Amino acid sequence: GEDVEQSLFLSVREGDSSVINCTYTDSSSTYLYWYKQEPGAGLQLLTYIFSNMDMKQDQRLTVLLNKKDKHLSLRIADTQTGDSAIYFCAENHSGNTPLVFGKGTRLSVIA
Amino acid sequence: NAGVTQTPKFQVLKTGQSMTLQCAQDMNHNSMYWYRQDPGMGLRLIYYSASEGTTDKGEVPNGYNVSRLNKREFSLRLESAAPSQTSVYFCASSGSSGVYEQYFGPGTRLTVT
Repeated sequence: GEDVEQSLFLSVREGDSSVINCTYTDSSSTYLYWYKQEPGAGLQLLTYIFSNMDMKQDQRLTVLLNKKDKHLSLRIADTQTGDSAIYFCAENHSGNTPLVFGKGTRLSVIA
Repeated sequence: NAGVTQTPKFQVLKTGQSMTLQCAQDMNHNSMYWYRQDPGMGLRLIYYSASEGTTDKGEVPNGYNVSRLNKREFSLRLESAAPSQTSVYFCASSGSSGVYEQYFGPGTRLTVT
């Protein structure tokens, strides 16, 4: 079945860039998403990218998609302590079907 | 708009007790989902409902039942709670068009002793 893999932890210094990586197996993914989960809260959609794009920028966030290698990354520029959270990568196979989530990457920002 | 709401926020059960987790959305979404989140396991899909009147099993359905009461509401029932069901439960919903992103509720933290 489909699978989404992420590294579990990332630690960066405040002001540096963070890069969170994700790989997926489903070559027919249509949309790929990044969600953020703050402590004690539900998941919030940060950004998404359509499978025919290779890059999307949204303020401090840059998403890169390498469809050939099935690799997705999220870059957060000028990382702040408020960015400390768990980040989930997810993919959508087709239309209105359940998303497949990775296990999440816990980002710790050191002041 | 409230988005996706869940009740209760916290619950403690004894082994063998039953309870129903409630979820409602006000975004007129067709699809609704129940997940559980455990440390190191990410999110695992328990059940989902692609439209009113339909439900399907996800990755970990054993020990749970669901009811799609109407378009707004999707409940999750534990008939006989077990300590292995101690977890944080999230409800989500999504529309039938656009980018199909899911919107999540704030979660229910359940402890079974």
